[in-house]
Amino acid sequence: GNSVTQMEGPVTLSEEAFLTINCTYTATGYPSLFWYVQYPGEGLQLLLKATKADDKGSNKGFEATYRKETTSFHLEKGSVQVSDSAVYFCALTSRAAGNKLTFGGGTRVLVKP
Amino acid sequence: DVKVTQSSRYLVKRTGEKVFLECVQDMDHENMFWYRQDPGLGLRLIYFSYDVKMKEKGDIPEGYSVSREKKERFSLILESASTNQTSMYLCASSLTAGTGLSGNTIYFGEGSWLTVV
Repeated sequence: GNSVTQMEGPVTLSEEAFLTINCTYTATGYPSLFWYVQYPGEGLQLLLKATKADDKGSNKGFEATYRKETTSFHLEKGSVQVSDSAVYFCALTSRAAGNKLTFGGGTRVLVKP
Repeated sequence: DVKVTQSSRYLVKRTGEKVFLECVQDMDHENMFWYRQDPGLGLRLIYFSYDVKMKEKGDIPEGYSVSREKKERFSLILESASTNQTSMYLCASSLTAGTGLSGNTIYFGEGSWLTVV
């Protein structure tokens, strides 16, 4: 079956610091990979996605590259802001799994001024 | 923009009550999902539906049922609420799997916080 492993938080950073959240996966077939973000008190929003190997998803200064050889999809941002404080979820779908999303456990990020 | 609307943001129910959580999407999506989110456990799939009147169990269906009488609406039902069902419930929807595009984005509602006392 499919599974996603991401680094546990909380991750505490100062503003303008570099952020990396590691995500690795196991999947049946050829998965698509996603990062979702959940701001305090809200539901999940799609942050970025990549649907095939070597694709790079990017949005709001965040980037992640689909690395098939290492089965990874690490999230990075070069200079975080206080408004980036949220919980970040790595997820995947695959046709073999009926296109259901499988989530990692989430990583809480706290950015301090 | 895709809109997934959950009818209640915050509910407090008593043990043993029957609870309905309603979800509506406005983009004619075939697929709809119910997840629950708990600290340290991430999101877990309860039930999903690929079409009207169709439902399939997710990873944790025990204690829940669902109803999909219309394409745009997917209801989660707790027949007899228990305190261990206190959680945040998230509804989601996406385009059909039949397109072959497994990268179809899944869109989430804002969540329903349920407390069972």
